[in-house]
Amino acid sequence: ETGVTQSPTHLIKTRGQQVTLRCSSQSGHNTVSWYQQALGQGPQFIFQYYREEENGRGNFPPRFSGLQFPNYSSELNVNALELDDSALYLCASSILSDPGNEQFFGPGTRLTVL
Amino acid sequence: AQSVTQLDSQVPVFEEAPVELRCNYSSSVSVYLFWYVQYPNQGLQLLLKYLSGSTLVKGINGFEAEFNKSQTSFHLRKPSVHISDTAEYFCAVSDPYSSASKIIFGSGTRLSIRP
Repeated sequence: ETGVTQSPTHLIKTRGQQVTLRCSSQSGHNTVSWYQQALGQGPQFIFQYYREEENGRGNFPPRFSGLQFPNYSSELNVNALELDDSALYLCASSILSDPGNEQFFGPGTRLTVL
Repeated sequence: AQSVTQLDSQVPVFEEAPVELRCNYSSSVSVYLFWYVQYPNQGLQLLLKYLSGSTLVKGINGFEAEFNKSQTSFHLRKPSVHISDTAEYFCAVSDPYSSASKIIFGSGTRLSIRP
């Protein structure tokens, strides 16, 4: 059984650029959630996708957007990057019907905005 | 709105000593509670969770936590720690009635084990 994978591992961008981060769900999972973890802080929920549609969103501006594909993989897109977007971005997959919705996390993508 | 407070940002402990990492949550409704561990340069791994039933929850790696509704706490404990337990620990909460499995995390507690 393959776990959650994310790519790339690290990424360096400059202010104003756009970035796309990718996530492959664990086999059998139909839900993907994205979190932002700034240095020294806990992860913050960005949004969740279920059946290719957004199924909940945290307190993030519209320049954070996402996609989920038929194979349940997902992308996180961030436009007009700001310095404060520098963080570890975590993807988590789960089965929406699972009580407690246990989420399995990938290793993350470290984004640095200069 | 739900929130989680981890009272200690860092906890230094000697190897083989017991440890307790404190967590309090704020919610006016029922909650699911979790403890996750994050090893350096890795994602998060679930240690244990409380959904309902027995208030004492046992997890992986010898950890356990007790749900206390009256004190709105969910403290994590281990009777004897090892060097390999050095990591960041996050307490988290979610709403059982939400259609989205949004997890709200605390700010984390860094557990450092001294030989």
